[in-house]
Amino acid sequence: QQQVKQSPQSLIVQKGGISIINCAYENTAFDYFPWYQQFPGKGPALLIAIRPDVSEKKEGRFTISFNKSAKQFSLHIMDSQPGDSATYFCAASFMDSNYQLIWGAGTKLIIKP
Amino acid sequence: GAVVSQHPSRVICKSGTSVKIECRSLDFQATTMFWYRQFPKQSLMLMATSNEGSKATYEQGVEKDKFLINHASLTLSTLTVTSAHPEDSSFYICSAVRLAGGSDTQYFGPGTRLTVL
Repeated sequence: QQQVKQSPQSLIVQKGGISIINCAYENTAFDYFPWYQQFPGKGPALLIAIRPDVSEKKEGRFTISFNKSAKQFSLHIMDSQPGDSATYFCAASFMDSNYQLIWGAGTKLIIKP
Repeated sequence: GAVVSQHPSRVICKSGTSVKIECRSLDFQATTMFWYRQFPKQSLMLMATSNEGSKATYEQGVEKDKFLINHASLTLSTLTVTSAHPEDSSFYICSAVRLAGGSDTQYFGPGTRLTVL
């Protein structure tokens, strides 16, 4: 019930295309859903995050779509660029967890020029 | 954005020695910091939660006597890998929680690559 399932494991998208990564969770107590971007040999960097009181959040080319009833959330990268090639992790947490994040397995995204 | 640093970025040591890794929040105070371990092509594995002024809380399976954590101030947490062995070789990442009145966010350090020979 604490798991966050992320798919796909890897994704190849043409430059300019839309990259979509999906995550699903079971624990309805989760109330914070961040996405992190990680480049090889570096720590994860917060990309965008959403709380369950909204269904969508957009920051530049990055959008989170959140479906509370389906217990799913997804990351959309519009106009994908080679510089977006990285590993993306979704995560979830809830207020009483002392900020502990439950991590998805990660998606390796490759943007082809 | 908030900045978290780690030092060193890479360390190579001989088996049996101890290695200390520092994690600093540079522009905010963090009562809570986390230590993670990441194996190649895998997700982050939480090792322990470090709270300033109190003992760290270790995840199941993590040896507290081997991975010593000290959160001595609101901007510094240290992880000491004692009597390191080759199987301890890994990428260690810390994070710090910045409290922002309902928008609390976890920020990550750049990681430390530990290689034990």
